[in-house]
Amino acid sequence: QKEVEQNSGPLSVPEGAIASLNCTYSDRVSQSFFWYRQYSGKSPELIMSIYSNGDKEDGRFTAQLNKASQYVSLLIRDSQPSDSATYLCAVKGNEKLTFGTGTRLTIIP
Amino acid sequence: NAGVMQNPRHLVRRRGQEARLRCSPMKGHSHVYWYRQLPEEGLKFMVYLQKENIIDESGMPKERFSAEFPKEGPSILRIQQVVRGDSAAYFCASSPTDRLTYNEQFFGPGTRLTVL
Repeated sequence: QKEVEQNSGPLSVPEGAIASLNCTYSDRVSQSFFWYRQYSGKSPELIMSIYSNGDKEDGRFTAQLNKASQYVSLLIRDSQPSDSATYLCAVKGNEKLTFGTGTRLTIIP
Repeated sequence: NAGVMQNPRHLVRRRGQEARLRCSPMKGHSHVYWYRQLPEEGLKFMVYLQKENIIDESGMPKERFSAEFPKEGPSILRIQQVVRGDSAAYFCASSPTDRLTYNEQFFGPGTRLTVL
């Protein structure tokens, strides 16, 4: 079983709609969870961090964490073409990040 | 406030040569992490360093790879006798020293290593 799992996609969403990205993790003692956005050929860019159960909103982005289900999600509202990228879920344990393989998101104009 | 800096951005080496990758963390950050991203694969942790100390090198290959973060100057990831399988993007990330458990890691632009 992979430590951090994501649906690789591609996920296609019409412009203006909500994009929903999901991630599950296997290590129950994980405390910190992150979403990074990576454009092709570029480095990962931190867009959200979440540490407690529930929702955390930042602009068009909402991260959701459910530690009992070992599940993290990212919602992107009012999707824009510029949101087209690969989204990486990362879980922190013992100071190092363990990444999922990423979900490729395409926003269709 | 400058971000994480890495150089060179692109590095071409022939098999058997040495590759030396440099990383300067963000101002105020003293924790440095190196990750590798192989083509079409996810990011994999390699090593975690603080000034003059290697804290966790559990992701480093046992041979040919080494890392350091001296008291003065950038962190260095060194790959000796490179092979084609070392071709990848190498990313450095840094985090601040406070609130250790929740520290966010910020990535540099990466060094793309190509081994001919």
